[in-house]
Amino acid sequence: AQKITQTQPGMFVQEKEAVTLDCTYDTSDPSYGLFWYKQPSSGEMIFLIYQGSYDQQNATEGRYSLNFQKARKSANLVISASQLGDSAMYFCAMRGSNTDKLIFGTGTRLQVFP
Amino acid sequence: DSGVTQTPKHLITATGQRVTLRCSPRSGDLSVYWYQQSLDQGLQFLIHYYNGEERAKGNILERFSAQQFPDLHSELNLSSLELGDSALYFCASSSGVRGVGETQYFGPGTRLLVL
Repeated sequence: AQKITQTQPGMFVQEKEAVTLDCTYDTSDPSYGLFWYKQPSSGEMIFLIYQGSYDQQNATEGRYSLNFQKARKSANLVISASQLGDSAMYFCAMRGSNTDKLIFGTGTRLQVFP
Repeated sequence: DSGVTQTPKHLITATGQRVTLRCSPRSGDLSVYWYQQSLDQGLQFLIHYYNGEERAKGNILERFSAQQFPDLHSELNLSSLELGDSALYFCASSSGVRGVGETQYFGPGTRLLVL
């Protein structure tokens, strides 16, 4: 069975600092994709970044980067130069090669303070 | 804005009632997914449609049903509603080209409150 674990229920970071949100996963599928989504207080789910299991390089998208360590089965999200607008819930998700659905973790609530 | 639209944004109803949630996917997307987000269960996959056909079912109750129409919009029907059905219901869409990297784009959600 596939599983996503996010062990940090909440994180605080000061504006302009970097923050790492942890995500570990479990799967026996040799091919899989890892995704991060942001959910602000307004409720919508916003796609941030994707990492494929066979990608050689860590994914980056603007201030977001993914620290992918395949052997450790971790896919941590790094947000650089945090902004007040980054305050939100962040979800890690996975999709295997034999399924179309996303499996989500429980999320991490990030709060950015001035 | 993801390009996925969902109506209504909010829905308040009573136990035992039936409601219909509507979703329009992004232009060109053939796949539509429904997810439920509740405090106790987190985000859970309900059902997936591709070009009008059901492709996969998840933790969807028998009281719930869905369909995708020829114009690719989808509807999720929830009947005999219970208090525990109160949740945020998301629709997501993707191109339908199968692969682990296929990104699902989420709509703004429909917040359902059953009283």
